[in-house]
Amino acid sequence: AQSVTQLDSHVSVSEGTPVLLRCNYSSSYSPSLFWYVQHPNKGLQLLLKYTSAATLVKGINGFEAEFKKSETSFHLTKPSAHMSDAAEYFCVVSINTGGFKTIFGAGTRLFVKA
Amino acid sequence: NAGVTQTPKFQVLKTGQSMTLQCAQDMNHNSMYWYRQDPGMGLRLIYYSASEGTTDKGEVPNGYNVSRLNKREFSLRLESAAPSQTSVYFCASSERGQAATIYFGEGSWLTVV
Repeated sequence: AQSVTQLDSHVSVSEGTPVLLRCNYSSSYSPSLFWYVQHPNKGLQLLLKYTSAATLVKGINGFEAEFKKSETSFHLTKPSAHMSDAAEYFCVVSINTGGFKTIFGAGTRLFVKA
Repeated sequence: NAGVTQTPKFQVLKTGQSMTLQCAQDMNHNSMYWYRQDPGMGLRLIYYSASEGTTDKGEVPNGYNVSRLNKREFSLRLESAAPSQTSVYFCASSERGQAATIYFGEGSWLTVV
């Protein structure tokens, strides 16, 4: 079975400190992996995606994620948090099982303290 | 640069009433989707349309119907609303393909009392 697990429902950091949002996946197929961000009362917006090219993927607003096949992980990081990063983040897996299937993680709420 | 536009943004319904959520995209995408978002559950797919003229059930289709009116528009109908359908609904679109980015509307907040 295919699944996505975001290991933390909430993460709290201080402004200027590093951010780590963790995501593990399970898939029998070669996945494409995404991180989306959702600001309050808004739709989801793509942060970055991995599509079998470079394993370290850089996204918008200084975020990056590393695909580690051996660990089935795709953790999202940022060196220095900004207040505007406070939002909900979704890890997403997309696979081709003959038809395309997209699986969303439950989300991680990031709080940034001044 | 509109992207995905959905209406209405807010709606309160009484149990048993019907309503239609409208969605349009201007990116010439083949695929369109309706999701619902509930606290702690991420996004769950209600229905999708891989291309104009086709629709398929997603993970939670019960109580909903959809219409792919043309390539731009994809509507979601609640025939007899129930309190369990209180949620935030997102329309989305993408090109076909495993690595395609999904573009989302801003959401429709629906409360069924």
